[in-house]
Amino acid sequence: DVKVTQSSRYLVKRTGEKVFLECVQDMDHENMFWYRQDPGLGLRLIYFSYDVKMKEKGDIPEGYSVSREKKERFSLILESASTNQTSMYLCASTLVPRQALYGYTFGSGTRLTVV
Amino acid sequence: LAKTTQPISMDSYEGQEVNITCSHNNIATNDYITWYQQFPSQGPRFIIQGYKTKVTNEVASLFIPADRKSSTLSLPRVSLSDTAVYYCLVGPTMDSSYKLIFGSGTRLLVRP
Repeated sequence: DVKVTQSSRYLVKRTGEKVFLECVQDMDHENMFWYRQDPGLGLRLIYFSYDVKMKEKGDIPEGYSVSREKKERFSLILESASTNQTSMYLCASTLVPRQALYGYTFGSGTRLTVV
Repeated sequence: LAKTTQPISMDSYEGQEVNITCSHNNIATNDYITWYQQFPSQGPRFIIQGYKTKVTNEVASLFIPADRKSSTLSLPRVSLSDTAVYYCLVGPTMDSSYKLIFGSGTRLLVRP
């Protein structure tokens, strides 16, 4: 079964810390995405990547950066964590150009709390 | 990307058929309609996708009228485990730069 694995299910970090959220997919997908999900706001796209070393800003990139050194791994970095970054973070991947057949595969999410 | 409108919530009982309708008046010629399901504390899961008429898989059916301005997700004989949020998305899925834009979804509650 295909998988998108996020390294942590729950994470608690202090304000000002640098935080790394890791995502690995085993499907050889080109596209990878990071979303955050908040009550009442739905899923919002932070960053995405079409290929290794490629990245594009989503709708809410401020305070975040990403890294894609290998095709299977896409990391989200919170440069200096703040309490308003407390959220559920979801990683997803998809195969191009066969999205019409398979859709996106999401990980189980990382619930990050910044205190 | 076409905007979608769907009911905020729906209630049903076990064993009933549930139909969730999504409105997408500005759908473009190369847009597909895709539905995702999300359980609490999990990522969304792809359910079904279609372009026109009817699509059926082991989980659901998707009905799309000729004008494609709306679509209906049909869940046959729901069970308690179908309680989830259902998202309707519209977009050009063959576009390599396509990114998913989620709306608020429909919260389905299945009662015993």
